[in-house]
Amino acid sequence: GAVVSQHPSWVICKSGTSVKIECRSLDFQATTMFWYRQFPKQSLMLMATSNEGSKATYEQGVEKDKFLINHASLTLSTLTVTSAHPEDSSFYICSAQGTSGFGTDTGELFFGEGSRLTVL
Amino acid sequence: GDSVTQMEGPVTLSEEAFLTINCTYTATGYPSLFWYVQYPGEGLQLLLKATKADDKGSNKGFEATYRKETTSFHLEKGSVQVSDSAVYFCALGFDTNAGKSTFGDGTTLTVKP
Repeated sequence: GAVVSQHPSWVICKSGTSVKIECRSLDFQATTMFWYRQFPKQSLMLMATSNEGSKATYEQGVEKDKFLINHASLTLSTLTVTSAHPEDSSFYICSAQGTSGFGTDTGELFFGEGSRLTVL
Repeated sequence: GDSVTQMEGPVTLSEEAFLTINCTYTATGYPSLFWYVQYPGEGLQLLLKATKADDKGSNKGFEATYRKETTSFHLEKGSVQVSDSAVYFCALGFDTNAGKSTFGDGTTLTVKP
């Protein structure tokens, strides 16, 4: 099946620094990837849709200058949290929409393992 | 808009007990329905899915049937194990826009020995 890998799985950084999280599709090409934020004991909040070769589409209320998304290839999307502050601490999850034969006909999503960001 | 409502948790069961987690949805069109499972500290994994009315999705002893007449997709398992302890998310999605999948709030299941 389709595999999505996310790295790092956890990161601790100082306030004011920037952190990059990578999301890779390992065995398929993902033209579209999605980034979510999950608060403790809550559901996933879609932050943005990342399309290969074009600008990301951000959901209402998500600061695009704060959360930079780059989808430079068909297998890699990155989320950079710029000038991180303690309120940015959260669990960030990426997912990918598969290509033909990998669930595109059903709306199934393939998720990364998640990245826990703690900003001190 | 589309929405998913699932049973509030947390749910605590003893090992080998019967599990039901209710899920109902509202949607425009004909979505596929999913149950995803999230183990502690991990991302989500697909547990099972159903793509049309009356389909039954099943995996690892879990089952759910796509009921269009009641707009439901309840998750069931006949005998839970400690290893089933996780958060379960009901979701709906469309082939044309998987990113706009709608998730329920999640139900935390704890199974005690």
